[in-house]
Amino acid sequence: DGGITQSPKYLFRKEGQNVTLSCEQNLNHDAMYWYRQDPGQGLRLIYYSQIVNDFQKGDIAEGYSVSREKKESFPLTVTSAQKNPTAFYLCASSEGPNTGELFFGEGSRLTVL
Amino acid sequence: RKEVEQDPGPFNVPEGATVAFNCTYSNSASQSFFWYRQDCRKEPKLLMSVYSSGNEDGRFTAQLNRASQYISLLIRDSKLSDSATYLCVVNPTGHNNDMRFGAGTRLTVKP
Repeated sequence: DGGITQSPKYLFRKEGQNVTLSCEQNLNHDAMYWYRQDPGQGLRLIYYSQIVNDFQKGDIAEGYSVSREKKESFPLTVTSAQKNPTAFYLCASSEGPNTGELFFGEGSRLTVL
Repeated sequence: RKEVEQDPGPFNVPEGATVAFNCTYSNSASQSFFWYRQDCRKEPKLLMSVYSSGNEDGRFTAQLNRASQYISLLIRDSKLSDSATYLCVVNPTGHNNDMRFGAGTRLTVKP
């Protein structure tokens, strides 16, 4: 079945540690996105990539980094510079950059202790 | 003012009821509109796009009012399985990376 796989689903981290969230898609989509969801707020865009080897900052990129070395993979690193990293992280993809529908992975819930 | 605003609810309705949600948006030039459904602790999934003329998909009807800058979602004959959070999504430019998400309206359908 085609889809987006995120791992891990749950992650606990100590303050000061970097952590990398995995996102893999087999939909052959060009564009991929990382969002953050906090209670009482809409999803906010962290980074996006429209094509391999290219990515752009979203609205809240500070404290995060990404790479896009392969079409199917778009990992997100939450660095120690991110002041409030506890959140639900959602990876998404779309067929193209302007095609409208986003397909989401099941999410990764990060808790910083 | 938030770019996309929704009544957070919760809306608690009995099975079979009709329920409607509204969503207002601030950018009058917005080009495309969507409703996504998100189950508790799960990922959002596209429920339906919203077209200028309004559109219907089974028990679900979506409408757009550009003059007043709101979109609505009507659910008829509510089912227990409709219990979820409904996210309003507005795209001011047509580029996917510009999508603006509301915080969601929570619906609980009770027997």
